[in-house]
Amino acid sequence: TQLLEQSPQFLSIQEGENLTVYCNSSSVFSSLQWYRQEPGEGPVLLVTVVTGGEVKKLKRLTFQFGDARKDSSLHITAAQPGDTGLYLCALEAPTDSWGKFQFGAGTQVVVTP
Amino acid sequence: KAGVTQTPRYLIKTRGQQVTLSCSPISGHRSVSWYQQTPGQGLQFLFEYFSETQRNKGNFPGRFSGRQFSNSRSEMNVSTLELGDSALYLCASSEDVNTEAFFGQGTRLTVV
Repeated sequence: TQLLEQSPQFLSIQEGENLTVYCNSSSVFSSLQWYRQEPGEGPVLLVTVVTGGEVKKLKRLTFQFGDARKDSSLHITAAQPGDTGLYLCALEAPTDSWGKFQFGAGTQVVVTP
Repeated sequence: KAGVTQTPRYLIKTRGQQVTLSCSPISGHRSVSWYQQTPGQGLQFLFEYFSETQRNKGNFPGRFSGRQFSNSRSEMNVSTLELGDSALYLCASSEDVNTEAFFGQGTRLTVV
């Protein structure tokens, strides 16, 4: 069972456009992490959000944690080709059987010049 | 500080063979987790080690095993390889069990 649902699965936009990807869960989670993974590489942590309603900015990336701590979004302003990658959200798993983190399936973002 | 190092980066094996993958965590990190990533299933948890002890195990068959050494380096082994084992195998290290995880570049395993 997938604890986290990410949408959309795929997003293709032109350089300079904005985009938003979403991560949702039916359960409340204590913290959530966003990663970006480029082809042939491992995921790289972008941010951890902990507090309901929290908003964090990382240059052109804005991360929001829902008030109820069941959803999160990542907004990219004026996307650049370097933003291309697989965006993954992950939460600390509620039980040991899931391991340390449970990952969503990811949103593949392609930014074309 | 050096990052997480996984070796080898690429590997091609034949069905029925066995394979061992290696992960060297960031210096000082004691927790190592392994994940399998495929296009269809995404990132799936394999197992987690902390101070040479397996803490958690995902829902994979017994052909998948691992271990951690006293220097925190970890290995995973897959025996009797199947075509479906073709995947990117990722290792992540963290200082402790509840701290931020850092991923290696992965080992791309192709089973033919």
